[in-house]
Amino acid sequence: KAGVTQTPRYLIKTRGQQVTLSCSPISGHRSVSWYQQTPGQGLQFLFEYFSETQRNKGNFPGRFSGRQFSNSRSEMNVSTLELGDSALYLCASRSSPNTEAFFGQGTRLTVV
Amino acid sequence: GENVEQHPSTLSVQEGDSAVIKCTYSDSASNYFPWYKQELGKRPQLIIDIRSNVGEKKDQRIAVTLNKTAKHFSLHITETQPEDSAVYFCAARMNYGGSQGNLIFGKGTKLSVKP
Repeated sequence: KAGVTQTPRYLIKTRGQQVTLSCSPISGHRSVSWYQQTPGQGLQFLFEYFSETQRNKGNFPGRFSGRQFSNSRSEMNVSTLELGDSALYLCASRSSPNTEAFFGQGTRLTVV
Repeated sequence: GENVEQHPSTLSVQEGDSAVIKCTYSDSASNYFPWYKQELGKRPQLIIDIRSNVGEKKDQRIAVTLNKTAKHFSLHITETQPEDSAVYFCAARMNYGGSQGNLIFGKGTKLSVKP
């Protein structure tokens, strides 16, 4: 069974640009969550999608948005990039809200 | 909302010694507490979890204890080995009236096991 796949693995963007990250969950998993990981701040929750609906949202500005498609794949978009958005972005999938979350390898975003 | 505090932020032990990492959570509605291990450059992986109806769970050298009254839970690693060196994250998940919420993570503990 393939694991959670995130693309791209690495990304370099310029301030002011926008970026779209992709997450393909484990087959059969309908829940996808996104996290931002920075040194010293741990894993900060961005949002969670289940069956194409956003269920929960963390405390991030409106520049961070996401969506989920009917095949459960999810995308995360960050507009008007800032230097502080440089981080490892991780997604995690679950088969249902009450089960273990499996993480992808992450997308390393660098904003210059 | 839920808030999870994790201590210590760094921990250095000698091979063979025990390591203990502690977390506290704020919302008494939380009912699921997983621990993740993240090795350098790799994804976080679940190593053990505990639900609120259990006080302790053990898996070989790893154990987790939960004190619901005090709202804290701990990870215990015995007979540590160099391959245990990693960043460990605790997390808590709330139960919204039967609907499971998102995981809220602590800031992590960097464990170094010296040979």
